[in-house]
Formats: sequence, C-alpha cells, structure tokens
Amino acid sequence: AAGVIQSPRHLIKEKRETATLKCYPIPRHDTVYWYQQGPGQDPQFLISFYEKMQSDKGSIPDRFSAQQFSDYHSELNMSSLELGDSALYFCASSFPLGARTDTQYFGPGTRLTVL
Amino acid sequence: SQQGEEDPQALSIQEGENATMNCSYKTSINNLQWYRQNSGRGLVHLILIRSNEREKHSGRLRVTLDTSKKSSSLLITASRAADTASYFCATPRGGANSKLTFGKGITLSVRP
Repeated sequence: AAGVIQSPRHLIKEKRETATLKCYPIPRHDTVYWYQQGPGQDPQFLISFYEKMQSDKGSIPDRFSAQQFSDYHSELNMSSLELGDSALYFCASSFPLGARTDTQYFGPGTRLTVL
Repeated sequence: SQQGEEDPQALSIQEGENATMNCSYKTSINNLQWYRQNSGRGLVHLILIRSNEREKHSGRLRVTLDTSKKSSSLLITASRAADTASYFCATPRGGANSKLTFGKGITLSVRP
C-alpha cells in the first residue's frame, strides 16, 4: 500500500539559510498535517491543510510557511533557520471527512540539522 | 504537551513478557490513538479506540479506555525484541481530521 512520502529524508543547513520540505500524501487523502519533533520530545503540531486551504495552525514560527497544492502535496518552507529548528519534521495525511476514521498516517520524516 | 501523559517513561522487560503502558489525558476526547516510533524514525499507527469503546484488540495489542478516569492503557503480550521502540498516545483536539496532541512517549526495551 502507498504511504506518505517525504523529501528529502535528511537535510543539513547553516543558520539563517532557508529549507523546503515536501510531503506527498497517500492517494485520495485530502488532509495534510505537519509536526515537529525535537530530540527526545513528543511531536508537536505545526499546521494542517484540508482541500488546499489551511485548516488549523499550531506552534509554527512566523519564519515558517506552508501550502498545499492542487495535487494535494504540501511544502513546508522554513526561512532564517536557527539552531533550535533542528528536529524531525513529519508529515501526515488522513482520509476525507466522513470516511469514519480519524487515523493519521505518518511519513518517515525529514531530519533537519541546522549548523 | 499537556494532553496524553504516559507512564512509565521507560520500561525494560524480557522477551516473552507482557508490557503495559499507561496514558492519561485532560480534556474530553472522541478517540485515542497509540503510535510506535522506532529510534529516530516515522510514527506507525497501532490502534485507535473510540470514546464509546472500552477495550480493543489487534493481534498482540490490547488497548483499554476509561473515560471516567481519562486514561488508557496499551498492553503488548508476549513481547519480542522487535517491539523495542517508543510508544505514544495521541488524542485529536477538535472534531474529525483535527490535529493530534501527543504525550511524552514511553521507551520500551525488550531484552532478547
């Protein structure tokens, strides 16, 4: 079965650089979520999109932005990177509303290291 | 994260033993989910239990939910070394397809 695809899997950046993370949801999933997991921490919700519109926003810094495209893939853009942005970034997707399931399916994550 | 606090934080058992992990939460929920994460890797969905369910089974997994105590437990029976991972409970904040709030996670080590 197809899973959530994230790219790149690993990314190393310098402080103040920018990074773009990509997420390709499972086919027919219309909702995409982004989470950030710091070392030894639990995942924290950043932002989500439903049908290409932002549906919810969590603790996402103003330096970050995201969008969902017409093919439902999503990109997380991160600018002016800081050392504290080093983390695992997960994308998850879920079935359309009314599908009687709230399960979110997670991708393998992108490990971002800021030097 | 204030929702979904797990205990114990770390658990070490012998292969073949059962592992029980507990999770508590603070607000009303319509479901609770358990995820597994192997070291530094992705989150794998294990099981979802709805607020009107008290117990659910999936293979060697058994989940219970006590909404009066706002707690859930995950039991892994006949553990294997491959069960070594971190386990998180997560609850959706809001209606369907809403963000998940994760607890701190329990690190399970299964010794061969």
